[in-house]
Amino acid sequence: DIQMTQSPSSLSASVGDRVTITCQASQDISNFLNWYQLRPGKAPNLLIYDASNLETGVPSRFSGSGSGTDFTFTISSLQPEDSATYYCQQYDNFPLTFGGGTKVEIK
Amino acid sequence: EVQLVESGGGLVPPGGSLRLSCAASGFTFNNYDINWVRQAPGKGLEWVSYISGTGTSIYYADSVKGRFTISRDNAKNSLYLQMNSLRAEDTAVYYCARDRIVGERSFDIWGQGTMVTVSS
Repeated sequence: DIQMTQSPSSLSASVGDRVTITCQASQDISNFLNWYQLRPGKAPNLLIYDASNLETGVPSRFSGSGSGTDFTFTISSLQPEDSATYYCQQYDNFPLTFGGGTKVEIK
Repeated sequence: EVQLVESGGGLVPPGGSLRLSCAASGFTFNNYDINWVRQAPGKGLEWVSYISGTGTSIYYADSVKGRFTISRDNAKNSLYLQMNSLRAEDTAVYYCARDRIVGERSFDIWGQGTMVTVSS
C-alpha cells in the first residue's frame, strides 16, 4: 500500500497569512494526488485534483504543486472560512489512501 | 442539483450487520464510478470501497475485505454497502463519493454522510 505522510498535523495562522502543507508519498505516484477540505458537520470538498488543477468553483487562493513523491498545498492568503482540516489523497493504486490530515486554525 | 444522499446508518452490536444506501440524483448515475469513504470519530478519512459504473470492477480496503460488499442498482440510481461482522473499529461516518471522471479517483461529489455506531 502507498503511505501518504502529511505535515504538519496542525497549524495556527493569521488571516492573510500564506499557509503551506506538504504531503509525501511512499513511492512515485506521478501527479495522481488530490487535496480536500473537511469542515465539521459538512461533506468533504475537493479543492485540487491531479496535484495542481483547481476544481471548478474553488477560490484561486488555493493551489497545489508537485509530482512523484513530494507535493505541496498552499493557501496564499488565509481567510476565516478556511478553518478546516485538509487531506491529501493518492489514486495511483488501490487501495486509495489519504494523508493523516492537517488542521488549520485561525489565530 | 447533483446530489448523493446516504441512509441506513445506526447503532448495531458487534458482529451485527447493516446495509447502507446512497441515492444519486442530478447526473447520469451509470456513467460514474462511486466510492465509500469513512471517518471514525476523531480520526482521518479512510477509503473503504470502489465500484465502477457498470459494477464489474470492485475494490476494497483490507480492513473490510471479506466483511463488506459494495453493489449498485443503476436502474434505481442507488449504491449500497452491505456490512457484516461489524466491529467497534467500523464506527464512523460513512460517505459515498463520486469519481470526477472515469479513471480518475478524485471525489468531486460527496454525500452528507451516515453515522454507523458499533457498540453493545
